[in-house]
Amino acid sequence: DTEVTQTPKHLVMGMTNKKSLKCEQHMGHRAMYWYKQKAKKPPELMFVYSYEKLSINESVPSRFSPECPNSSLLNLHLHALQPEDSALYLCASSQGGRVQGPTYEQYFGPGTRLTVT
Amino acid sequence: LAKTTQPISMDSYEGQEVNITCSHNNIATNDYITWYQQFPSQGPRFIIQGYKTKVTNEVASLFIPADRKSSTLSLPRVSLSDTAVYYCLAGLQGGKLIFGQGTELSVKP
Repeated sequence: DTEVTQTPKHLVMGMTNKKSLKCEQHMGHRAMYWYKQKAKKPPELMFVYSYEKLSINESVPSRFSPECPNSSLLNLHLHALQPEDSALYLCASSQGGRVQGPTYEQYFGPGTRLTVT
Repeated sequence: LAKTTQPISMDSYEGQEVNITCSHNNIATNDYITWYQQFPSQGPRFIIQGYKTKVTNEVASLFIPADRKSSTLSLPRVSLSDTAVYYCLAGLQGGKLIFGQGTELSVKP
């Protein structure tokens, strides 16, 4: 099973709402990632979890709160978002993480299309 | 991290070979070159990775000259389903993959 699943596929939320995005993988991968992608732009890294610990936070605003309950699950909690946060949110996982040399293949989920109204 | 430069878009026809060249002049000794493919409304998918010379898998070939300042992704006999954005990545920045602007490939019948 080389699949990363994400729920929901689409999400519309108001600026005062609280919602969560979920991501799951059963490949035994120990690194998991959240990316944000705006239309016609490349994915931008937001967070990296390595062995269930937050290892990279790309200076993401606190209205985005990641959580890794176990090695298979990754959540992104959303609160008080702005319309400019509307984007495709992608989750990915990889066997591990390296700081140099050959990269582990990252497996991406289909994404959650988020619209903030 | 080496900055990458690739064409914004390319057009091709079914059955042709497509070569997408990526420039990475400042690539470091430890950096590998990796290519990802992304279809609309889907996450990127790993295609191929290499360090030097030539790497081939069932999907594509990657050519890297001796100076490693550029690389070329070769897609043999493309079909309509190869229409996608192709990203070239060179190296890791503190363990992070950084996606460049990508090349939007359009395959026509």
